[in-house]
Amino acid sequence: AQSVTQPDIHITVSEGASLELRCNYSYGATPYLFWYVQSPGQGLQLLLKYFSGDTLVQGIKGFEAEFKRSQSSFNLRKPSVHWSDAAEYFCAVGLFSGGYQKVTFGTGTKLQVIP
Amino acid sequence: KAGVTQTPRYLIKTRGQQVTLSCSPISGHRSVSWYQQTPGQGLQFLFEYFSETQRNKGNFPGRFSGRQFSNSRSEMNVSTLELGDSALYLCASSPGGTTDTQYFGPGTRLTVL
Repeated sequence: AQSVTQPDIHITVSEGASLELRCNYSYGATPYLFWYVQSPGQGLQLLLKYFSGDTLVQGIKGFEAEFKRSQSSFNLRKPSVHWSDAAEYFCAVGLFSGGYQKVTFGTGTKLQVIP
Repeated sequence: KAGVTQTPRYLIKTRGQQVTLSCSPISGHRSVSWYQQTPGQGLQFLFEYFSETQRNKGNFPGRFSGRQFSNSRSEMNVSTLELGDSALYLCASSPGGTTDTQYFGPGTRLTVL
């Protein structure tokens, strides 16, 4: 069965500093990978997704992620963090079979941004 | 286009009661998925409906059920509520294709006392 691991429960960075959130997955084939962000009291917003092709994926709000098959990783990065980026970030892997998709989420990483 | 809407946003029930949550997908979307989010278990998949048929199901007891109407609106029902059912219930819609992105609603916060 597919699984997703986000090893960092909580991360604190200074505003303007770079950010990398880690995500590792377990899945037999090439997975479909997603990063979502959730602000307090809100639903999840898609930041970016990887299905195939270029392993460096650009998303919204200045985020990018790189798929590394050899490391089973899909880490999220941002070169300069803004205070408004404080939120919880979820990595997810999608299994597409039989015409439907089942998405498994990681446990999330809470990002705190300090001035 | 309007986003995914969920009603009600907040709900307080007592143990043993039942509850119905509603989700209106983005116009034109035929797939609706439901997730339960709790601090301890994170986001867990409940089920997915496509064209009024359940086509995927997670590992939840039979107390959790759902349905989808011809206009793609979906409801989920939880019977005989337990304290552990307190959670944020998220609904997501997509056109329904294999690589379509899911768009999430703001969720319904259910508190069971």
